[in-house]
Amino acid sequence: AQSVTQPDIHITVSEGASLELRCNYSYGATPYLFWYVQSPGQGLQLLLKYFSGDTLVQGIKGFEAEFKRSQSSFNLRKPSVHWSDAAEYLCAVGAGIGNEKLTFGTGTRLTIIP
Amino acid sequence: DTAVSQTPKYLVTQMGNDKSIKCEQNLGHDTMYWYKQDSKKFLKIMFSYNNKELIINETVPNRFSPKSPDKAHLNLHINSLELGDSAVYFCASSHRDRAGQPQHFGDGTRLSIL
Repeated sequence: AQSVTQPDIHITVSEGASLELRCNYSYGATPYLFWYVQSPGQGLQLLLKYFSGDTLVQGIKGFEAEFKRSQSSFNLRKPSVHWSDAAEYLCAVGAGIGNEKLTFGTGTRLTIIP
Repeated sequence: DTAVSQTPKYLVTQMGNDKSIKCEQNLGHDTMYWYKQDSKKFLKIMFSYNNKELIINETVPNRFSPKSPDKAHLNLHINSLELGDSAVYFCASSHRDRAGQPQHFGDGTRLSIL
């Protein structure tokens, strides 16, 4: 069975600083990988996804992520964070015919300080 | 144009009661899901329906009964509510037959058991 680990429960960064959120996965085949963002009281919004091709994927809101098979990682990055980026970030790995078996990590809460 | 909509947004009720949550998607997807997010923000799949057929049924108490009247709707009925059922329940949808397609989530239903 697949699994996802997000080692950082809570990260605090200054506005304008760079950001990297870690995600490690366990899956026997080529994974489908996703990053979602959840703002307080809101649903999940897809930031970006990887399922084949270029290992560096671009997403919305200036985010990018790099798939590294050798490290079983899919870390999320942003060169300069904005106060509006404060939220919960969830990494997920998909399996099954159409990713119906989506397994989430425990999430990383991002706090932005002025 | 809400893609995945859930009602109600908030549900406060007494232990032992029976309640339902409704979900509708207007994305033309063929697969719908129910997830439970606990107090630690951990999101876990409960059920999935593909073209009205149950394809995922995780280890969920049989007090929880999903129903899919058509591809665009998936409801969740919960009997004899318990304190441990307090959580945020998310509905999602996707195209199962298209590789790498992400799941789209609703805004969640916050269920509080008194």
